[in-house]
Amino acid sequence: DAGITQSPRHKVTETGTPVTLRCHQTENHRYMYWYRQDPGHGLRLIHYSYGVKDTDKGEVSDGYSVSRSKTEDFLLTLESATSSQTSVYFCAISESETGQRLFGSGTQLSVL
Amino acid sequence: GENVGLHLPTLSVQEGDNSIINCAYSNSASDYFIWYKQESGKGPQFIIDIRSNMDKRQGQRVTVLLNKTVKHLSLQIAATQPGDSAVYFCAENMTEGGGADGLTFGKGTHLIIQP
Repeated sequence: DAGITQSPRHKVTETGTPVTLRCHQTENHRYMYWYRQDPGHGLRLIHYSYGVKDTDKGEVSDGYSVSRSKTEDFLLTLESATSSQTSVYFCAISESETGQRLFGSGTQLSVL
Repeated sequence: GENVGLHLPTLSVQEGDNSIINCAYSNSASDYFIWYKQESGKGPQFIIDIRSNMDKRQGQRVTVLLNKTVKHLSLQIAATQPGDSAVYFCAENMTEGGGADGLTFGKGTHLIIQP
């Protein structure tokens, strides 16, 4: 998707290993988000950021941490991956806190 | 808590027909609604949005209707095409007090286009 890039697109890892997913935007939007998408659930918010070094927890934040050292980059880290964290992860950005989100293409993460 | 939901998980329509995808919401304080389209293997894509001071909003081949009385939202797609095959889901938020974490997503309806 134009303006927002996620990496990697696919990742397979083992239980207990650390994993970092990267989101990069070129839109200079203030707000950035990490969601996970699982069958039977809508998109669920993990963490979000409302500025450089300003982050907050979402609905399903346990087991995840984030960092935002630059406006354009938002990192999601699984300190010790578990099988329950197998999911598709989407990064999103927005200009306002309550406005529509622009989503990245997603990262398929498999934890074996 | 109050959630956004969808009536049907799968909707099958003939190519060329109109499609109607429904969404129910229960938070009467929500005043901003968004429809997204998600094709297989891709991220959700914004289609159209509507604020609660409107009953109807039209885009290119799409129309969103909002009925605040019964807390119902629908997406109408005119002259459905094969490229419309995707999962469609709605989202709601409150522009005052909703916060960055206040956007709630429904689970989605899979629209299947029959040739």
